[in-house]
Amino acid sequence: AQSVAQPEDQVNVAEGNPLTVKCTYSVSGNPYLFWYVQYPNRGLQFLLKYITGDNLVKGSYGFEAEFNKSQTSFHLKKPSALVSDSALYFCAVRDDTGGFKTIFGAGTRLFVKA
Amino acid sequence: DAGVIQSPRHEVTEMGQEVTLRCKPISGHDYLFWYRQTMMRGLELLIYFNNNVPIDDSGMPEDRFSAKMPNASFSTLKIQPSEPRDSAVYFCASSFSGTQPQHFGDGTRLSIL
Repeated sequence: AQSVAQPEDQVNVAEGNPLTVKCTYSVSGNPYLFWYVQYPNRGLQFLLKYITGDNLVKGSYGFEAEFNKSQTSFHLKKPSALVSDSALYFCAVRDDTGGFKTIFGAGTRLFVKA
Repeated sequence: DAGVIQSPRHEVTEMGQEVTLRCKPISGHDYLFWYRQTMMRGLELLIYFNNNVPIDDSGMPEDRFSAKMPNASFSTLKIQPSEPRDSAVYFCASSFSGTQPQHFGDGTRLSIL
């Protein structure tokens, strides 16, 4: 069965500092991994994905994520945080063994302080 | 291109009433997903369709919930009869394939009194 864990309910970081939002996963086959962001009263917006290839994936708004197969992790990173990055971030996973059910993590609230 | 369109944005109704949520996916997308988001349970997949056919409805809470997709540009999620515990934000999402990201609508905030 697929699962995804976001161990931190909230991450606090100062503007201009690097940020990391953690995600670990469990799947039966090869993982398809996604990060989404949600702003208040809006739907989730896609940030980036890993399907195959380079372990470092670059996405929207300067975000990137590193796929680590041995640690089954897919942490979201950004070199320099902005106050406008404050939002709710979701990691999501599905596997390649059939079916298209995507499992979402519980979400991590990122708070960037000016 | 317009994104996923959901209606209504807000719905307040009394317990026992029928509720119908509507979704128009992005044109050309062949997968459609219905989710429910609550503080307690997070984001839950209720059902998804491929080419208008329901594929997995294992997340539908009970028989009071039903979903249809009569054509490629329209889907409904119906709750009958509604209960206060159904109060949540319901999202519709669509994607071009299983490996492509899902595009979410802005949701319907449902309150059952």
